[in-house]
Amino acid sequence: EPEVTQTPSHQVTQMGQEVILRCVPISNHLYFYWYRQILGQKVEFLVSFYNNEISEKSEIFDDQFSVERPDGSNFTLKIRSTKLEDSAMYFCASSGSTGVGLGSPLHFGNGTRLTVT
Amino acid sequence: AQSVTQLGSHVSVSEGALVLLRCNYSSSVPPYLFWYVQYPNQGLQLLLKYTSAATLVKGINGFEAEFKKSETSFHLTKPSAHMSDAAEYFCAVSAKNRDDKIIFGKGTRLHILP
Repeated sequence: EPEVTQTPSHQVTQMGQEVILRCVPISNHLYFYWYRQILGQKVEFLVSFYNNEISEKSEIFDDQFSVERPDGSNFTLKIRSTKLEDSAMYFCASSGSTGVGLGSPLHFGNGTRLTVT
Repeated sequence: AQSVTQLGSHVSVSEGALVLLRCNYSSSVPPYLFWYVQYPNQGLQLLLKYTSAATLVKGINGFEAEFKKSETSFHLTKPSAHMSDAAEYFCAVSAKNRDDKIIFGKGTRLHILP
């Protein structure tokens, strides 16, 4: 069964450094998302992406964050200058051609655990 | 705006007993509702979804959920718990807009007692 893959599984970085989290969504999916989960807390929406542009972003997704789909297969999340509070599990997700709003569920990757020291 | 409230951050049931995880939703439009499960160190896996067809929805691993509009609820049940059901369960909602996102509840950790 097709799946969403994320790399790396765990990334440790120093405060102030830039990180790029990588995701390969399911190949025929058109809607892409990033969520994060701070340890022990709920899964929070960060950003959705469709047709090569951001559809919606949350308050968390400030100017330090950006997303790209550089080559038609990868979907990346960049944090320009990491802060301690960015430490979390980051999940990439994708949805099929009809989109979440028409009942197509999100398929999640296994996440990247980001630790900022 | 859509939201979900999950009652009980931790639920413990004995192996073989009924599992009931509660979820209430709030939505200004008829929603789509989902239950996801997260096993340790893994991503979220879809258990089942409600998309306005049958109100009783059957999912994987013997789970089912019933959409009750009058109660704005979408509780998850399983008749007989198994040790392998121990995980975190998330209720989620989305509006029926094509590019809408899913909003998750805070999650309920299910513990299975031997």
